[in-house]
Amino acid sequence: EVQLVQSGAELKKPGESLKISCKGSGYTFSIHWITWVRQMPGKGLEWMGSVYVGDSDTRYSPSFQGQVTISADKSINTAYLQWSGLRASDTAIYFCATSILSPAILDNWGQGTLVTV
Amino acid sequence: QSALTQPASVSGSPGQSITISCTGTSSDFGDYDYVSWYQQHPGKAPKLMIYDVSLRPLGVSNRFAGSKSGNTASLTISGLQAEDEADYYCNSYTDTDTRVFGGGTRLTVL
Repeated sequence: EVQLVQSGAELKKPGESLKISCKGSGYTFSIHWITWVRQMPGKGLEWMGSVYVGDSDTRYSPSFQGQVTISADKSINTAYLQWSGLRASDTAIYFCATSILSPAILDNWGQGTLVTV
Repeated sequence: QSALTQPASVSGSPGQSITISCTGTSSDFGDYDYVSWYQQHPGKAPKLMIYDVSLRPLGVSNRFAGSKSGNTASLTISGLQAEDEADYYCNSYTDTDTRVFGGGTRLTVL
């Protein structure tokens, strides 16, 4: 069974740094993309960016380029989303998702990580 | 990069059919048929319902159908059931090698 397990909820102060994680199991983690999606309180889904785990090739939405860093460590089947200086507007639930059927879709999702700034 | 345009809400009675539209530009959809649809119940992670415009993943009911014409994709749900009440989001692979979601549609089953 494919599973993505995300790290727990975080409560941070403005200006602090943060790195949240997404650990995959049940499939060959290194040969697929991992995508991060933001959902602000009461709002819709926003595609932030994706990383190809095998070679760490990344793609960012123009809205998030320079604001976050997406990375992956294939040796431990884990992807990351990090901030160097959080803002109150970063308060949201962050989902990771993988693309097994095709790079263009999100077919398995993590449970979400609530970040409160 | 603006979100794809979806109606904010749609509603229907049990047994009826509804259609949710998803409109973008030619750049939003590129030259690909990589439109997908996601269902999200409150407090839950999204779930893939349709991919590559009209394909259903294993386990998704055939009451869900997708289509696309020009720069508008559509999700049709037939034989509405109470459990279909949720938020629905379209997503497309763009011509700049990125992806974009629609703003989301709240489906209410009356």
